Amino acid sequence: EAEVAQSPRYKITEKSQAVAFWCDPISGHATLYWYRQILGQGPELLVQFQDESVVDDSQLPKDRFSAERLKGVDSTLKIQPAELGDSAMYLCASSLSDGMNTEAFFGQGTRLTVV
Amino acid sequence: GENVEQHPSTLSVQEGDSAVIKCTYSDSASNYFPWYKQELGKGPQLIIDIRSNVGEKKDQRIAVTLNKTAKHFSLHITETQPEDSAVYFCAASIGAAGNKLTFGGGTRVLVKP
Repeated sequence: EAEVAQSPRYKITEKSQAVAFWCDPISGHATLYWYRQILGQGPELLVQFQDESVVDDSQLPKDRFSAERLKGVDSTLKIQPAELGDSAMYLCASSLSDGMNTEAFFGQGTRLTVV
Repeated sequence: GENVEQHPSTLSVQEGDSAVIKCTYSDSASNYFPWYKQELGKGPQLIIDIRSNVGEKKDQRIAVTLNKTAKHFSLHITETQPEDSAVYFCAASIGAAGNKLTFGGGTRVLVKP
């Protein structure tokens, strides 16, 4: 069964360091999302890609966060410098977006702890 | 933007009983309402969804109802089992395929054997 792959699963980093997360969506899925989930809360969208283009990054803290999907396939989310408040689960999701299918499939997430 | 509220935040039921989770949304343009189940340490997994042109949908022990006028939708789990214990999230989306999901705050369900 096709899955959204994310790595690493866990990351501990010191405040002010740089950190990066990687996501490989389900093959053929044009839409890719990065969500942040703070413990005890629902996921919140950080950035949405349609192929290699950013569709929505209104909630992305652009002074420290960046995201790219250069070839319209896999994607990287970067934080530099990391702050204590960035500790959360970072979830990647993808969807087919063919006009009929809207289901978003989530990966296992990357649990980030900033110390 | 869209705002989704979810209640209750925690729900404890006896095995075999029913569980009901309720959500309200703010934007009348929302037309897609999925429910996700999230187990500890895992990503959310879709369990059922409903579109605004349908009032009710059922899949085995799970059902979802939608009231567009009142802007609320509910998840019903019947004959609960211990493996139903998890955190459940409702979500809403506006417009065509590929639009972002706005999630509720989640409901932690505990099914006691």
